[in-house]
Amino acid sequence: EIVLTQSPGTLSLSPGERATLSCRASQSVSSNYLAWYQQKPGQAPRLLLYGATNRATGIPDRFSGSGSGTDFTLTISRLEPEDSAVYYCQQYNTSPFTFGPGTKVDV
Amino acid sequence: QVHLVQSGGGVVQPGGSLRLSCEASVFNFSYYGIHWVRQAPGKGLEWVAFIRYDGTNKYYADSVKGRFTISRDNSKKTLYLQMNSLRDDDTAVYYCMVITRGYWGQGALVTVSS
Repeated sequence: EIVLTQSPGTLSLSPGERATLSCRASQSVSSNYLAWYQQKPGQAPRLLLYGATNRATGIPDRFSGSGSGTDFTLTISRLEPEDSAVYYCQQYNTSPFTFGPGTKVDV
Repeated sequence: QVHLVQSGGGVVQPGGSLRLSCEASVFNFSYYGIHWVRQAPGKGLEWVAFIRYDGTNKYYADSVKGRFTISRDNSKKTLYLQMNSLRDDDTAVYYCMVITRGYWGQGALVTVSS
């Protein structure tokens, strides 16, 4: 099983600042089959990025992804108050298609 | 635009059964593999099961293997999750989702309680 570790657990930043979220895999994620989601309280998760770097439809370019192999990063370049949420990574290369524990971002 | 509409949640006693459904609209349902994901109250996301676009391969989390069955009917554009031998720790909101399209159902609350 590929275990995903996310850091930090919580991130508190001000509007306009840059957020850097890390997702580290216990084994290589082939073909960069890694997705990032945003979840706000009481809502279903929303896909931000798939294939590690591809923005989903309607996602602003403030959100970007990078990385390969075992180390992946989600960057939010200019935080806005509505970016407050929990962010999860998920690998969909190998079953079980595991999620990370999440990073809570407070803006 | 709603792409996945879920039904079938509810309250069930431990050891009981429940079937969730997830009906697709708008997109080509039969082209995509679909996942079930759950979230226990106050907890993170947990992947539950996946079925390939044509139903030929199915995968399960260890926590549900042997108790849950994922299936699909492409003619009805519907995904199912049959849940048997339910336990207290199966209590969660269950979502169907297509990863690369970013389609999520609205969620169905399953509560296992006596």
